[in-house]
Amino acid sequence: NAGVMQNPRHLVRRRGQEARLRCSPMKGHSHVYWYRQLPEEGLKFMVYLQKENIIDESGMPKERFSAEFPKEGPSILRIQQVVRGDSAAYFCASSLTENNSPLHFGNGTRLTVT
Amino acid sequence: SQQGEEDPQALSIQEGENATMNCSYKTSINNLQWYRQNSGRGLVHLILIRSNEREKHSGRLRVTLDTSKKSSSLLITASRAADTASYFCAPSGAGGTSYGKLTFGQGTILTVHP
Repeated sequence: NAGVMQNPRHLVRRRGQEARLRCSPMKGHSHVYWYRQLPEEGLKFMVYLQKENIIDESGMPKERFSAEFPKEGPSILRIQQVVRGDSAAYFCASSLTENNSPLHFGNGTRLTVT
Repeated sequence: SQQGEEDPQALSIQEGENATMNCSYKTSINNLQWYRQNSGRGLVHLILIRSNEREKHSGRLRVTLDTSKKSSSLLITASRAADTASYFCAPSGAGGTSYGKLTFGQGTILTVHP
């Protein structure tokens, strides 16, 4: 049973380009979460999605960032016009149920903006 | 969601010794989770303890929860070099939010010397 799969593992973008990060949740999981980890900091919640719906995006920057979890296919975190401050590790997690359910994390995508 | 504060920030022990890490939080919870993060990897869920539980075991791990003191502890017995990692607690459920919108602190960095 494959775990949470994220790709790419490493992504390098120049300032102003777009970054697209993909996440396939564990089989049977329909709850997906995105977290960001800046250097020397803990993980910060960004967004919570269920299939085709954004449930909570309170941790997402208001501009340039968007997330989706379509009916078919992986969840996508999209960052437009990247800036150096977007350089971080982005982790996706999934859970089986909404409440009181442990999160299963992928190994992250390390975004470097040059 | 609320953030747990882990203590100590860093812990260095010899293989075979026990390691104890503490977590404090501020408001009421539905559950509290412990996670481990190896360098360059995603978080791995260790244990979830519900607010009506006082103690829980999983292999060499023992977690206690004291809701009156708003604190939890994680004990790793007979530590191994492979236990070297950062450990995070994540209280959940305050204010009726029990889904995976977790807030992680800086964690405890555990180093186990062979």
